[in-house]
Amino acid sequence: SQKIEQNSEALNIQEGKTATLTCNYTNYSPAYLQWYRQDPGRGPVFLLLIRENEKEKRKERLKVTFDTTLKQSLFHITASQPADSATYLCAPSGANNLFFGTGTRLTVIP
Amino acid sequence: DAGVIQSPRHEVTEMGQEVTLRCKPISGHNSLFWYRQTMMRGLELLIYFNNNVPIDDSGMPEDRFSAKMPNASFSTLKIQPSEPRDSAVYFCASSSGPWGTNEKLFFGSGTQLSVL
Repeated sequence: SQKIEQNSEALNIQEGKTATLTCNYTNYSPAYLQWYRQDPGRGPVFLLLIRENEKEKRKERLKVTFDTTLKQSLFHITASQPADSATYLCAPSGANNLFFGTGTRLTVIP
Repeated sequence: DAGVIQSPRHEVTEMGQEVTLRCKPISGHNSLFWYRQTMMRGLELLIYFNNNVPIDDSGMPEDRFSAKMPNASFSTLKIQPSEPRDSAVYFCASSSGPWGTNEKLFFGSGTQLSVL
């Protein structure tokens, strides 16, 4: 069955540094991959989508890579700020599935 | 647009009682999803509707769970009878395209369900 692993449950970094979150998947080949942000007590909010034929996608301070050979996506937040503290979820997806990882809780320390 | 609207925000009930969760998707969206979130299992897809028709309900845990979408602007998720292990946050999400078309999901704020 499909399996999605996000690198760690929690990640703490210093303000101004680059945060890198990892999403690994096994047993399927998603056509695209989405990243969401979730704040406590709220529903996930869409951030970025990257397709299987794209290597990299950027949006402001966010960058996502998608390596279909390694079955891995990396999510980077540059110049991190305390307001970036949240849980980040990856969702490798395809024609008949939309599964989410359990998320990585990021804390940016001032 | 007000976004996806879910009610109630919190629900506390006793084991054996019927629970009904409600969702109003974003106007114009034709896909609707129900998810359940727990610390142990994360976000689990329960059921997916497209144009008000259930397409995939393989994630529905058991016969105690049922979902309906009588029209494009309303869906319900019912648990009868409820059990303590059903305690979780239940999210409704909608999107403007069918599954697999790269459409992002818009989530509601969720219903926090506690079954005592």
